[in-house]
Amino acid sequence: DTEVTQTPKHLVMGMTNKKSLKCEQHMGHRAMYWYKQKAKKPPELMFVYSYEKLSINESVPSRFSPECPNSSLLNLHLHALQPEDSALYLCASSQYSGSDYNEQFFGPGTRLTVL
Amino acid sequence: KNQVEQSPQSLIILEGKNCTLQCNYTVSPFSNLRWYKQDTGRGPVSLTIMTFSENTKSNGRYTATLDADTKQSSLHITASQLSDSASYICVVSNTGFQKLVFGTGTRLLVSP
Repeated sequence: DTEVTQTPKHLVMGMTNKKSLKCEQHMGHRAMYWYKQKAKKPPELMFVYSYEKLSINESVPSRFSPECPNSSLLNLHLHALQPEDSALYLCASSQYSGSDYNEQFFGPGTRLTVL
Repeated sequence: KNQVEQSPQSLIILEGKNCTLQCNYTVSPFSNLRWYKQDTGRGPVSLTIMTFSENTKSNGRYTATLDADTKQSSLHITASQLSDSASYICVVSNTGFQKLVFGTGTRLLVSP
């Protein structure tokens, strides 16, 4: 299995809702990433998990809460989001973090709309 | 400041024609450079990845070049197909660093 899967594909939520995005990989990768991508912009890094521990938080607001239950799974818990948080949320994984040949494999993304 | 610039921003070509996309970077110390293809609303898919010592790499109709001295890369697409319509993103990695520096992409439209 050489892919990263993300669920759901689309999510519409109100500003008072609590929802979660899920990401899964079975390539044995030990680093996993969350990115946010607005239309016609490059992906922006949000979080990096390395060996199931949070290693980078790019000053993301606390209404986004990541969780890495095990080496194959990565969640992003959403609470009290704002309309400007509407974007494509991409998950990625790589064999290791911090290595020189650190190819990241991206999932198909979750299209999030906040009303 | 670590930056990756791509040109052109957008490009329209006829099906069957060739095209070349450009990428200039100021990322230092340099580790590797990748080209990704991203269809609208989908995740990026890796086309090529090159380290400092590699100056050309091919993946089917896609050929990437790298000049580490001038800090420039190009992606050449041969005999374009309608399915090549997408954004092409140049991404550069620092040595031993977890974060990637993304270019803003070139939006390619292949018309029949």
